[in-house]
Amino acid sequence: SQQGEEDPQALSIQEGENATMNCSYKTSINNLQWYRQNSGRGLVHLILIRSNEREKHSGRLRVTLDTSKKSSSLLITASRAADTASYFCATSDNNAGNMLTFGGGTRLMVKP
Amino acid sequence: DAGITQSPRHKVTETGTPVTLRCHQTENHRYMYWYRQDPGHGLRLIHYSYGVKDTDKGEVSDGYSVSRSKTEDFLLTLESATSSQTSVYFCAITGDRAVYGYTFGSGTRLTVV
Repeated sequence: SQQGEEDPQALSIQEGENATMNCSYKTSINNLQWYRQNSGRGLVHLILIRSNEREKHSGRLRVTLDTSKKSSSLLITASRAADTASYFCATSDNNAGNMLTFGGGTRLMVKP
Repeated sequence: DAGITQSPRHKVTETGTPVTLRCHQTENHRYMYWYRQDPGHGLRLIHYSYGVKDTDKGEVSDGYSVSRSKTEDFLLTLESATSSQTSVYFCAITGDRAVYGYTFGSGTRLTVV
């Protein structure tokens, strides 16, 4: 079963616009991570936010975490055509195997 | 991705045949994982390893077995392939603290006919 559920499932925007993707999860977590997957490729780690953090930035990425609502958002500012990809959230609940549970992903298309 | 390779990249096999996928890492990471990715299901954990000869089941382990005889290699075996195992398989690695997230391989596209 999926721990995280992304919303929307698909998003289409123009280059230069901001893209916001949301993730909801069900159980208590240790950290939440976001990954990008380009078509036909493996996933690439973007950012990790711990359960005691509320916001984190990395370049054009901004991630927020609201543990009371069990939700997170990923904001990509000033999007580029190269940002076209699928984005996944993944949660870790401090299990012994460092296992991640992934959501179904958001497909982002950025039109030039 | 640098430090982790999967082989083969593509494979077509017949129903009922055994298939082994290989994941090789050069990062000396303790944890290794096998996921499958299917439309509508995202990524689901098959098996994982937390050390040499230490493995455990994930969410969708039925029909799969794994082995890890060396730190760098994690093998996934489909004992008798079925059409429902047609999927893209990803290997991932992470270190003890996992603070940098997982590093994924490029995937193996397996088709069972």
